[in-house]
Amino acid sequence: EAEVAQSPRYKITEKSQAVAFWCDPISGHATLYWYRQILGQGPELLVQFQDESVVDDSQLPKDRFSAERLKGVDSTLKIQPAELGDSAMYLCASSLAAGRGKFTQYFGPGTRLTVL
Amino acid sequence: GDSVTQMEGPVTLSEEAFLTINCTYTATGYPSLFWYVQYPGEGLQLLLKATKADDKGSNKGFEATYRKETTSFHLEKGSVQVSDSAVYFCALNTDKLIFGTGTRLQVFP
Repeated sequence: EAEVAQSPRYKITEKSQAVAFWCDPISGHATLYWYRQILGQGPELLVQFQDESVVDDSQLPKDRFSAERLKGVDSTLKIQPAELGDSAMYLCASSLAAGRGKFTQYFGPGTRLTVL
Repeated sequence: GDSVTQMEGPVTLSEEAFLTINCTYTATGYPSLFWYVQYPGEGLQLLLKATKADDKGSNKGFEATYRKETTSFHLEKGSVQVSDSAVYFCALNTDKLIFGTGTRLQVFP
């Protein structure tokens, strides 16, 4: 069964350092999502891509976070500089397309970030 | 705005007990509704979904019915197992996926 791949699984960094997370969606999935999940809460959408284009980044802290999906396949989420409050699980998901819940989102295992 | 409210956990049960996790939602329009499960240290897995009123989603013995009149999507299972111990998230999707805060289920033998 096809899965969403993410790496690394765990990342420990010091504040003010740069970190990057990678996601490879299920083959053929045009829509890719990055979520942030703070401990004890549900995931919150950071950014949504349709192919290589950003369609929603309204909750992405653009002063320090950036995301790209250059060839419309895999994607990278970067934080620079990292802050203590960025400690969370970063989840990537993909779906065949976007459209009012019609297409199921499939999640990867996540990257657990700890900022010291 | 759209939102999901779940019962607070943890829910602690003995093996073979009946499970209910309550979920209610607020949404404009007609959302699709989902239950996702998250095992320790892992990402979210889709458990079941329903896309319109009165639909029943089911998987692995879990069921939930889309109740438009009560804006609810309660998760039920007739007989839980230790392996069902996890965090369960209710979610809705109108134009984006919005999650509840999650309910931790602990099942003891």
